[in-house]
Amino acid sequence: AQSVSQHNHHVILSEAASLELGCNYSYGGTVNLFWYVQYPGQHLQLLLKYFSGDPLVKGIKGFEAEFIKSKFSFNLRKPSVQWSDTAEYFCAVKGGGTDKLIFGTGTRLQVFP
Amino acid sequence: GAVVSQHPSWVICKSGTSVKIECRSLDFQATTMFWYRQFPKQSLMLMATSNEGSKATYEQGVEKDKFLINHASLTLSTLTVTSAHPEDSSFYICSALTSAPSYNEQFFGPGTRLTVL
Repeated sequence: AQSVSQHNHHVILSEAASLELGCNYSYGGTVNLFWYVQYPGQHLQLLLKYFSGDPLVKGIKGFEAEFIKSKFSFNLRKPSVQWSDTAEYFCAVKGGGTDKLIFGTGTRLQVFP
Repeated sequence: GAVVSQHPSWVICKSGTSVKIECRSLDFQATTMFWYRQFPKQSLMLMATSNEGSKATYEQGVEKDKFLINHASLTLSTLTVTSAHPEDSSFYICSALTSAPSYNEQFFGPGTRLTVL
């Protein structure tokens, strides 16, 4: 069965600091990988996704993620965070020919001015 | 982008009553919709996959007789929590799967907070 783990449960940063959120998945076949963001009181929004091709994926709002197949990882990065990035971040994986998304436990990011 | 709505956004009900939650894709047709449950400070747990015109597929451990799902049209799926109990209190989120050009992408509704007294 597929699973996703996010190691950082709660991250606190100052503005302009760099961000990296870890995501590892367990599945041996072809996967599609996603990062979603949930701002306070809002619905989930897609930040970026990887299906195939260039393993370095650029998303919205300056976020990027790198797919490292050998490490089963899809870490999210941003070189300089802003206060408005305060939110919950979820990594998700889809594989096995299904449309089902399996989510990680989420990482709560707090950015202080 | 594609918009998914949910109604109601929150509901409070008495134990033993049934509650229906609607999920609509506003500007696209969705043959497949998903229902998730999110506990406080936890991740989204997939409850079931809803396919238009057919029976929903439930995840292991989800009671199909308690969580009734109906996907009657390409833009509407409903989740009915039957004989609700306090342990059913949660945040319920639906998503809809788009077709081309954003194939294979799910768009999420804003969620419905259910509180059972």
